[in-house]
Amino acid sequence: ILNVEQSPQSLHVQEGDSTNFTCSFPSSNFYALHWYRWETAKSPEALFVMTLNGDEKKKGRISATLNTKEGYSYLYIKGSQPEDSATYLCAVTNTNAGKSTFGDGTTLTVKP
Amino acid sequence: NAGVTQTPKFRILKIGQSMTLQCTQDMNHNYMYWYRQDPGMGLKLIYYSVGAGITDKGEVPNGYNVSRSTTEDFPLRLELAAPSQTSVYFCASKNRYVTGELFFGEGSRLTVL
Repeated sequence: ILNVEQSPQSLHVQEGDSTNFTCSFPSSNFYALHWYRWETAKSPEALFVMTLNGDEKKKGRISATLNTKEGYSYLYIKGSQPEDSATYLCAVTNTNAGKSTFGDGTTLTVKP
Repeated sequence: NAGVTQTPKFRILKIGQSMTLQCTQDMNHNYMYWYRQDPGMGLKLIYYSVGAGITDKGEVPNGYNVSRSTTEDFPLRLELAAPSQTSVYFCASKNRYVTGELFFGEGSRLTVL
């Protein structure tokens, strides 16, 4: 079983603060990493997919980086807004059989 | 655009009862998955399938069975329900590419009393 760890488990910030989370994974046999955003009472939705060491992706105020050699990815949110409140999941694929392992997620709460 | 549809959304079972969670997708995805989500935890893979007629166990398969007779459908069967199976279940599908993202159903909340 692939061990995917996310930190912190939860985060409370004020509106306008910038924040970041970490996803750590074994660096061997890496194929892809996905970040998902999961709002309460909804289903997870994909934010980014990254495959290459040094990959950087950006969508609005949210960006992510990938370091496959040391086995981690960062997700950054600039100027957090209340609507950013959600659980952010990372999922790592280490086989070509399409099976991903999820971390336990980081739950972000942004206070107005 | 239906995407991934799973039913029922809510169900209460008594210990020892059996039931099937239905999942269907209309995106012609090869890969389908069943996850469970327990409080404070992430998504744990129960079973997955890479195509019709092919299924394999995930991290937590005990107490469950699946079948994949068509590309569209991937039902999850719970035999002899136990309180430990109280959880929220998510069905998901993706295309055959490693970079393909998962598309999730809305979830099924199951309580075993």
